[in-house]
Amino acid sequence: DAKTTQPTSMDCAEGRAANLPCNHSTISGNEYVYWYRQIHSQGPQYIIHGLKNNETNEMASLIITEDRKSSTLILPHATLRDTAVYYCIVRVAGAAGNKLTFGGGTRVLVKP
Amino acid sequence: GAGVSQSPSNKVTEKGKDVELRCDPISGHTALYWYRQSLGQGLEFLIYFQGNSAPDKSGLPSDRFSAERTGGSVSTLTIQRTQQEDSAVYLCASSLAASGSHNEQFFGPGTRLTVL
Repeated sequence: DAKTTQPTSMDCAEGRAANLPCNHSTISGNEYVYWYRQIHSQGPQYIIHGLKNNETNEMASLIITEDRKSSTLILPHATLRDTAVYYCIVRVAGAAGNKLTFGGGTRVLVKP
Repeated sequence: GAGVSQSPSNKVTEKGKDVELRCDPISGHTALYWYRQSLGQGLEFLIYFQGNSAPDKSGLPSDRFSAERTGGSVSTLTIQRTQQEDSAVYLCASSLAASGSHNEQFFGPGTRLTVL
């Protein structure tokens, strides 16, 4: 699976949009971008995934650059409960096993 | 419906003792995964099951670690002769299947293991 690079931490204001970047310059054509988050003392939670088109669901939006070498997770209106570590993961969807390889993630602190 | 459950939530043991950690996946999920997270570290894959078989055990750190799954449901992770470096949060996840689609993984709350 391709390696990802994320900032170690970032702060954002409650009610504002949070934009979380992820670099994956070695991504292959059949690899998807997945985002999970881990709130303190809980297991990780799936957020969203995409291949090349932008995606949106009830939790977030995912913007993938045209060359697919980077992406941005957008939390449109951050709340205090969005404080968590956010993991960007790149892997082949449907591959045998589907195991997740977690990096260090971005520690997001939403401030009032 | 119920999510993934794990027991115990916390386990404190003495070095050299054996421990068993249990995972109850979401009903109907055929794939089950074990990960561990050491203090301040990211999640590390250990093993996954498709049904009762374990096609990938590559993440198990040593032969002191083993896991089994029976009836395509409950799984037990066993650590023999525990060492202090085994101290971590052990997380279990399940998904509908282990291949063929995106198959979101649903995680349990984890078991915090402390080896004294």
